[in-house]
Amino acid sequence: QLQLQESGPGLVRPSETLSLTCTVSGGSISRTTYYWGWIRQPPGKGLEWIGNFFYSGSSFDNPSLKSRLTISVDASKNQFSLRLTFVTAADTAVYFCVRQGGSSWVNGWIDSWGQGTLVTVSS
Amino acid sequence: EIVMTQSPAILYVSPGERATLSCRASQTITSDLAWYQQKPGLPPRLLIHGTSTRASGVPARFSGSGSGTEFTLTISSLQSEDFAVYYCQQYNDWMYTFGQGTKLEIK
Repeated sequence: QLQLQESGPGLVRPSETLSLTCTVSGGSISRTTYYWGWIRQPPGKGLEWIGNFFYSGSSFDNPSLKSRLTISVDASKNQFSLRLTFVTAADTAVYFCVRQGGSSWVNGWIDSWGQGTLVTVSS
Repeated sequence: EIVMTQSPAILYVSPGERATLSCRASQTITSDLAWYQQKPGLPPRLLIHGTSTRASGVPARFSGSGSGTEFTLTISSLQSEDFAVYYCQQYNDWMYTFGQGTKLEIK
């Protein structure tokens, strides 16, 4: 059974870098035909798509975050990571790592979610 | 960016009754729409994709319909476990966007 687990600091200071890792078990990022990505949810608010990638192909980033965002993959560890620079209080959210429904960006529904991790931006 | 608008923001329905949730897209998204259910402290759960295809394990009381810009999620006979927040999501454009959610509350 596929499982995704986010890990990383729960508190980040303003202007610093938010870094999270998603560890995938029960399925291979590099040997399966799915898109993987990140979604966030500010406390008490709705969902915001951050970005996604296909291991051997393309990636897409939310234009509003693109200049600060890096999503990378470590296939040897079956992990992928999120890095968001110059954070502000507006980046405070629960961050979910996710798997999409298929091998194309048009298969954009999310069929698997991590439990989510709350990241608070505060001094 | 395609803006998704859900209505109503809060819907009060009695157990056993039918609930109808709406989602409107700011431009046509053909049938590229998904619905999710979220309970407090948990990640969203996929209910429906492709407007009307139920995800694995989703009860038949959940159904989706619509096309173009207008979509509906119907829960035919509400069970106690169905009271939650529901989100729609479009994936017709590579910049995926979600509605702001409809909270389904017990009447």
